[in-house]
Amino acid sequence: GDSVTQMEGPVTLSEEAFLTINCTYTATGYPSLFWYVQYPGEGLQLLLKATKADDKGSNKGFEATYRKETTSFHLEKGSVQVSDSAVYFCALEPGSNYKLTFGKGTLLTVNP
Amino acid sequence: EAGVTQFPSHSVIEKGQTVTLRCDPISGHDNLYWYRRVMGKEIKFLLHFVKESKQDESGMPNNRFLAERTGGTYSTLKVQPAELEDSGVYFCASSQDPGNTEAFFGQGTRLTVV
Repeated sequence: GDSVTQMEGPVTLSEEAFLTINCTYTATGYPSLFWYVQYPGEGLQLLLKATKADDKGSNKGFEATYRKETTSFHLEKGSVQVSDSAVYFCALEPGSNYKLTFGKGTLLTVNP
Repeated sequence: EAGVTQFPSHSVIEKGQTVTLRCDPISGHDNLYWYRRVMGKEIKFLLHFVKESKQDESGMPNNRFLAERTGGTYSTLKVQPAELEDSGVYFCASSQDPGNTEAFFGQGTRLTVV
């Protein structure tokens, strides 16, 4: 079946450091790929998405590129802030029904 | 516009008891989803409603779980009787159309069974 594997962390960085959270997936066909973020005390929020190969999703300084050849969707940010501290989830949707398959989540802590 | 709201935010119950979780989707959203995250594991799909009908309940773990969405508005998820392995965070999400529009998630209900 479909699956998502992501860096489990936790990841601890200093402010302004570069961030990469790795995500790889297994799926049949051409899924859509997502990064969700959960800030402390809040629900899951869609951070960015890509629906086809070579698409780049971006939002709030975060980027991820849909790489079909490596089945990856790594999340990157050039300069993290304390406010980026959260749990990040990589996810895929195989069809058009929003039935998401998630990774285990990566806890990011950014220190001042 | 109000987002997806879940009640309660936390619940601690004893093994064998019954718990009912509630989800109020965004007004006008026909699609409602339940997901669950057991500690340290992935968030997993439980089921999908379109209005009041169950479109896909393939993720429901067993018959101790009952989801309803009477009238196609809010939804409840009842666990009866609760077991220790039911502990986790239960998320609800809603969307206007599946696939074409974003699903919005609630803050989750943290259920602890002791």
